[in-house]
Amino acid sequence: GENVEQHPSTLSVQEGDSAVIKCTYSDSASNYFPWYKQELGKGPQLIIDIRSNVGEKKDQRIAVTLNKTAKHFSLHITETQPEDSAVYFCAAIRLDSNYQLIWGAGTKLIIKP
Amino acid sequence: NAGVTQTPKFQVLKTGQSMTLQCAQDMNHEYMSWYRQDPGMGLRLIHYSVGAGITDQGEVPNGYNVSRSTTEDFPLRLLSAAPSQTSVYFCASSKGTASEQYFGPGTRLTVT
Repeated sequence: GENVEQHPSTLSVQEGDSAVIKCTYSDSASNYFPWYKQELGKGPQLIIDIRSNVGEKKDQRIAVTLNKTAKHFSLHITETQPEDSAVYFCAAIRLDSNYQLIWGAGTKLIIKP
Repeated sequence: NAGVTQTPKFQVLKTGQSMTLQCAQDMNHEYMSWYRQDPGMGLRLIHYSVGAGITDQGEVPNGYNVSRSTTEDFPLRLLSAAPSQTSVYFCASSKGTASEQYFGPGTRLTVT
């Protein structure tokens, strides 16, 4: 079955710098990769997703890149702000499988003022 | 829209007790799921449902039961609580497999 590994587990960056979180997956048939942000005391919330037919997707300060050959995808946050501090989760799913997103273990992002 | 609601927010149980965690959504979503979140382990799927009357097991179903009698409600039952079930539980709903999942605020459960 699918396995998703996420690195690093904690990332501390200076406000205004960029942050990159990387996930690798094992099932080459996986074709949908969402990223969720979880703020303290709340449930996760989708921030961006990508399907396997594209290599990159951007939404203002956040972007996701996908390398199908290497089986990894990354979240890029530019010009980080204090409100970016949260735990970020990646996930993967094979869309023709049963309904089971496989999640990474999460990255705690700390933005230093 | 209230989105996804969960009750209770906090619960303490003694080993062997049973209880039901409630989950409801008002977005007419077909897909609903229950996750547990433990430190350093991300989200693990307990049970899910692709529509009223249909449920299936996720990655960690043992010790839990679900039912889906209506589109709106998806309760999770702990049959005989164990300390290993101490966790934060999230309910989520979505239109489909590759659609955004909307999460509830979570239930923090402690089993002593």
